[in-house]
Amino acid sequence: QTQLQESGPGLVKPSETLSLTCTVSGGSFSSDLYYWGWIRQPPGKGLEWIGRIYYSGSTYYNPSLKSRISISMDMSNSQFSLNLSSVTAADTAVYYCARLRGSYYVFDFWGQGKLVIVSS
Amino acid sequence: SSELTQDPTVSVALGQTVRITCQGDSLRGYFASWYQQKPGQAPLLVMYGKDKRPSGIPDRFSGSNSGTTASLTITGAQPEDEADYYCSSRDSSGNYVLFGGGSKLTVL
Repeated sequence: QTQLQESGPGLVKPSETLSLTCTVSGGSFSSDLYYWGWIRQPPGKGLEWIGRIYYSGSTYYNPSLKSRISISMDMSNSQFSLNLSSVTAADTAVYYCARLRGSYYVFDFWGQGKLVIVSS
Repeated sequence: SSELTQDPTVSVALGQTVRITCQGDSLRGYFASWYQQKPGQAPLLVMYGKDKRPSGIPDRFSGSNSGTTASLTITGAQPEDEADYYCSSRDSSGNYVLFGGGSKLTVL
């Protein structure tokens, strides 16, 4: 059973870079059947897809965030990471990492979520 | 199109049938998937593809897709089905993920 766990600071100052890491266990990280993605949810609001990465390193980002996002992988540690630059209060959200099944493009396993607050 | 539209609130009497809908141009080419989210929890995949349920999802959940509309139907709604439901699909290019705005289901 695949498990995902987000880690990183829960408080980030405005204009700085938000950095989160997702650690994957369960053995599917290097499979070509899956992508790995980030999703966020501002308090009291809906889900927003941030981006995804494939085992080859190819990425796709939400066009509305593309200029500020970078997603990378560390195959040796079964981790993938999110960097979101120049944050503002509008980036305050619960950030989820999840496994994206390639055949149907659905998120079938999710981390528990990490609340990140942007505040000085 | 880059949008999926859902009714913000939906209600159903206990034991009755409810349909939650999702509209968007991308649904002409791609199946919708559906996620259930309860307060304080991560979303849970409940339906995907052409009426496929992940392991452990009760068979009172079913899905359908027609043209630009997808539906999640709960037949015999239970108190534990009260949650927010989000539809999702690929965008028209096939590379991006879209989420609907969510539907809050109340079981009366």
